[in-house]
Amino acid sequence: GNSVTQMEGPVTLSEEAFLTINCTYTATGYPSLFWYVQYPGEGLQLLLKATKADDKGSNKGFEATYRKETTSFHLEKGSVQVSDSAVYFCALSDDGSSNTGKLIFGQGTTLQVKP
Amino acid sequence: DGGITQSPKYLFRKEGQNVTLSCEQNLNHDAMYWYRQDPGQGLRLIYYSQIVNDFQKGDIAEGYSVSREKKESFPLTVTSAQKNPTAFYLCASSIATGKSYEQYFGPGTRLTVT
Repeated sequence: GNSVTQMEGPVTLSEEAFLTINCTYTATGYPSLFWYVQYPGEGLQLLLKATKADDKGSNKGFEATYRKETTSFHLEKGSVQVSDSAVYFCALSDDGSSNTGKLIFGQGTTLQVKP
Repeated sequence: DGGITQSPKYLFRKEGQNVTLSCEQNLNHDAMYWYRQDPGQGLRLIYYSQIVNDFQKGDIAEGYSVSREKKESFPLTVTSAQKNPTAFYLCASSIATGKSYEQYFGPGTRLTVT
């Protein structure tokens, strides 16, 4: 079945460092891909999405490109801030032919940014 | 402000008791979802509903039940049959089902059963 694999955390960076969180997927068909962010004790917020190959999603300085040839959707940010400390989830739509809207999530990657 | 509300934020129950978690949305979304989150893991789908008065089991439906009597409400009952109910529960909604539609999440309810 469809699945998502994220790099293990925690990831610890200094403020203004470059961030990459790797995400690879296994899927049949052409899923959409998402990055969500979860701050402590809160629900998930959509960070960005891409719905087809070579699409780039971007928001708040974060970017990710849908790479079908490498089945990847890595999250990047050029200069992280302390306020970016959170758990980041990669997800893909898992509809197949059922049209459920179901999402498959990776296990999450914790990012800690130090001043 | 449009959004999804879940109540309460923290819930404590004794083993053997059923408990109902509330989820309400005013986004006029058709689809609603319940996920369970355990430490260090991703989210797992419990139940989903694409339309009022209809719902389907997700990957881990055993020990849970839901209803969808109104478009804006999708309560989840954790029954005494759920063997390991302590977890963080997240409700989500989407304007429609289909692979292009993102889901919007509520703030979650942390359930502790002792």
